[in-house]
Formats: sequence, C-alpha cells, structure tokens
Amino acid sequence: QKEVEQNSGPLSVPEGAIASLNCTYSDRGSQSFFWYRQYSGKSPELIMSIYSNGDKEDGRFTAQLNKASQYVSLLIRDSQPSDSATYLCAVNNQGGKLIFGQGTELSVKP
Amino acid sequence: ETGVTQTPRHLVMGMTNKKSLKCEQHLGHNAMYWYKQSAKKPLELMFVYNFKEQTENNSVPSRFSPECPNSSHLFLHLHTLQPEDSALYLCASSQDHGSGFPQETQYFGPGTRLLVL
Repeated sequence: QKEVEQNSGPLSVPEGAIASLNCTYSDRGSQSFFWYRQYSGKSPELIMSIYSNGDKEDGRFTAQLNKASQYVSLLIRDSQPSDSATYLCAVNNQGGKLIFGQGTELSVKP
Repeated sequence: ETGVTQTPRHLVMGMTNKKSLKCEQHLGHNAMYWYKQSAKKPLELMFVYNFKEQTENNSVPSRFSPECPNSSHLFLHLHTLQPEDSALYLCASSQDHGSGFPQETQYFGPGTRLLVL
C-alpha cells in the first residue's frame, strides 16, 4: 500500500462546477496535511494546510480531514479554467517526513 | 529576492560532467530539502538539512552530493550522472520546531530542470 494515494485522473469538470479531489494515507499517526497545486512545468505551491478533523475553508477552497478514515479531500467551488493543474496531497508521517501522493490532474473546461 | 530561489533553472550535462545546483531561501527557515520529480511519479525526497546538519539521506546514490554551508543556502553537487537522473530538482524550506510538533509548511523554489545526455 502506498503511503499517500491519490487518483491520478485526469479529473474533468465544467467551469463553475465543484471539483472534488481525494487522498488517503496509511500512517495513522500523521498530524499535518497539505494540498499543493502544481502547474505544468512549475513548482508546487501551497493551497491549504489542515491539522484537525473537520472542514477548513479559504475562499473557493475547502479542505476536509477525517483522521478516523485516514482521508483528506480538497473541494474547489466555482471551478475556473485557471484551476487546471495537478493537485498534490502531502502528509507527514510519524517520522516527521513529508510524503507526497502522485497528484491528481484537474482539467476545468470552459 | 523573496521566497526560495534556485539556479540554474535549466541544465544540460553529459554523463562525465560535474555541475552544482544552488538553492537559497530568504524566509528565515531552519530546514531545507532537495526533492526529485520525474514525469508521472510522486515527489521523491532526497536530502533534509536541519540547522545545517543532514538529517535525512533517502538512499540517494553517491553521484548526488549535498552541501549546506548555512541555514539559507543549499547545494546539490552532481557528477557522473546517468540519463535516468534527468528530472526536475526542487528545493524547499520550512521552519522546523522539532519532534512532537506538526510539520510546518514547506515552500518550494522554482526548480532546476536537468537533462543528462
């Protein structure tokens, strides 16, 4: 089992729709969870961090964490073509190492 | 300059060359990282430095040699690389508060795209 798993996609949604990106992790002791966005040919940039169970909202982005289910998700409301990118889920394990998933490619169609 | 900078942005080298990648962070962080990103693969952690001390070497071949002269600068020295080493090399930094604390956000530089011929 991979330490951090994401559906590689591509996930295609129409403009204005809600995009839902999912991530599962294997280390139950993980405490920190991050979503990064990476445009093609660019470096990852932080979108959201979440440390506690529940929802965390920032503008059009909502991160959801469920530690019991070892699941973290990112919702993007009112998706825009400029949101088209690869979204990386990252989880720190008990050893303090940040483990990245392989990323989900999102395509928002005008 | 702000954030994390990396030079060069692009590098083409032969298998017998020696080159170095440079990273500098202007965020006052105490931890720095080298990652390798190959096509369609997850980011692979290579090295971690915390307060200039190497705390992680993720089974990286010796043809990659890191150097961290201070908390703001990180180098990756390359020699006798193989074509499969062609990838995007990313530097990142974060503020490490030590064990028992949640991991702080890592901020990435723009990366060096390396092609080994």
